[in-house]
Formats: sequence, C-alpha cells, structure tokens
Amino acid sequence: DTAVSQTPKYLVTQMGNDKSIKCEQNLGHDTMYWYKQDSKKFLKIMFSYNNKELIINETVPNRFSPKSPDKAHLNLHINSLELGDSAVYFCASSPTGQGATDTQYFGPGTRLTVL
Amino acid sequence: EDQVTQSPEALRLQEGESSSLNCSYTVSGLRGLFWYRQDPGKGPEFLFTLYSAGEEKEKERLKATLTKKESFLHITAPKPEDSATYLCAVHSSGGSYIPTFGRGTSLIVHP
Repeated sequence: DTAVSQTPKYLVTQMGNDKSIKCEQNLGHDTMYWYKQDSKKFLKIMFSYNNKELIINETVPNRFSPKSPDKAHLNLHINSLELGDSAVYFCASSPTGQGATDTQYFGPGTRLTVL
Repeated sequence: EDQVTQSPEALRLQEGESSSLNCSYTVSGLRGLFWYRQDPGKGPEFLFTLYSAGEEKEKERLKATLTKKESFLHITAPKPEDSATYLCAVHSSGGSYIPTFGRGTSLIVHP
C-alpha cells in the first residue's frame, strides 16, 4: 500500500553508463516530480509532469530524460553518467500541481553512486 | 529569485529541552510555506502548510508559526523519535508552482 514507490533503492554504476530509475504512485494524483538531493541535503526540483505532459524542466542537462507512460508513472533515464550525477533522486506526486494547497508526497529515494 | 535559509544547520537537544528552528524566506509573494520532516534514508514527509502571517499550526509536540519574513518550528519537550532533518519550502506567486527548499535543520534529541 506504498503511496509513492521508486526502484531501485540503490544504484551503483560506472561513468559513461546509461541507467533508469522508475517511479509509481497509487494516490491518483495528476502531477509527478523528480528532485535531486545533493550531499548537503539541498533538494532541487528537476522535472514536473501533469497528466503525462512535461510542465517544469529546470535547467537540467539533456542527458536526463523523464518519461511518463501514464499519470501514475514517471521514470527518469540518465545517459552518459558523470561523477556529479551522484546524489539521491526523489520522486514525488501531488494532487493537482497547482496552488499552494498542493501538498507533495515523496518516494523513499534512489541513491545513485557514479564511480 | 526565491530564497529560503534555515537555521541552525544542526541542533542537539536533550530529551525534554524545548527549542525552535528558523526558516527565513525572501519571495516575490508568498502563496504557502511548507514544513517537512526527513528521516535518514527516506523521503521528506509533509508536516504543515502555512499561508499567511500570524497563522499557527500544531501537531503533537510541533508548532509552526509564520510571519512576513520567517517561520518557526517550535518543538516542545522533544523525544528521541523527533530526531530528523526538518525542511522548509516556499511556494511563491512568481508564476510556476515550484517549491524552493531550504537546506534543512538536522535535529538530534538525546535521551
């Protein structure tokens, strides 16, 4: 009965590889997000999708490509991984994506380590 | 550009020792201020939303307050299970509904 789930929990890979992180929410929300949290705990939004459409893309290298097959899923594919991509990536969802009443619910995170 | 500054960066308390965490913000127009709790190895968990100066919200030992420049998260008689990182985020009227997060306050409560 997990609300927002992500897989995998941990991902260790070599520089230059391509990897994907999957996210699913069973809350019936319209909007999903990807965040990156660096080693200093700073949480910064990367993308937002509303009903499968990209609505926010925050100055993220084009090596990062989100894909939303339906409004319950938002996957993140990363090409040509670099050392600086090492971080914890959080998926989140919210009911509407609009308005300050729109609380976000976060997944457990995926710790990506690039060697 | 919206800015959120949280202080202190880290706080150690003895069980039962009340204290407050600070979140100072600079936004073009505040739509809402959020407090989250984040446990190690987990995602942030929503605590409160505050919308206007003077508003207060409470949950168990936590009380959040809001002024025009800052928000406080007061912790009364904390217990070790209150140990976590507390994150503050703001939504502004700057156009999109992207929250800006602070770097958090890491709270450790010793038994």
